[in-house]
Amino acid sequence: EVQLVESGGGLIQSGGSLRLSCAASGFTVSNNYISWVRQAPGKGLEWVSAFYSNVITYYADSVKGRFTIFRDNSKSILYLQMNSLRAEDTAVYYCARHRMFRGAVCDFDIWGQGTVVTVSS
Amino acid sequence: EIVMTQSPATLSVSPGERATLSCRASQSVSTNLAWYQQKPGQGPRLLIYDASTRATGIPARFSGSGSGTEFTLTISSLQSEDFAVYYCQQYNNWPPWTFGQGTKVEIK
Repeated sequence: EVQLVESGGGLIQSGGSLRLSCAASGFTVSNNYISWVRQAPGKGLEWVSAFYSNVITYYADSVKGRFTIFRDNSKSILYLQMNSLRAEDTAVYYCARHRMFRGAVCDFDIWGQGTVVTVSS
Repeated sequence: EIVMTQSPATLSVSPGERATLSCRASQSVSTNLAWYQQKPGQGPRLLIYDASTRATGIPARFSGSGSGTEFTLTISSLQSEDFAVYYCQQYNNWPPWTFGQGTKVEIK
């Protein structure tokens, strides 16, 4: 079965760090674009960061310089290292696989169940 | 950055009725638009991609239309399991990939 499972969320103080994990099964992380998307309490969806094959990474302006996306080369796990956390980073964090079509990076066809990050001020 | 705007914010519909949700892009996204359904406590589920193509396993009562800057998601006859929040998302110009703020479909 093709699925993504997030973990690593928790309660952290403002200014602290947290590392989220996204474990893929049924497909390989290395051959796919995968993003982190977050959802603040009662709010909509916000794209955070994207990764492809150890050579391409993108970040939203709101997290650039504070978050780092990277892959464990020996496992099909994608990570999001979050430093200098702020109260406004409080959200459910989802990892999601991009559908690819003829080389184009498209929508998100597989989503995890999410992991909750709460940053206390 | 392309801004996506959905309307209405909340749609009250009776079971069996039709629901029409709108999504507007701040500039043309061609047909590079997707719709998602999200239920409480769950991750989003892809419903429609390329503006009008149903994803695998999505019932035929869900249909999408539009191109450029104006898009519509129609649910032809609402079932109890369809009451949820729906988001549109563009993938024409990225990063960032951007979402609308969502439309909540609630029971009337």
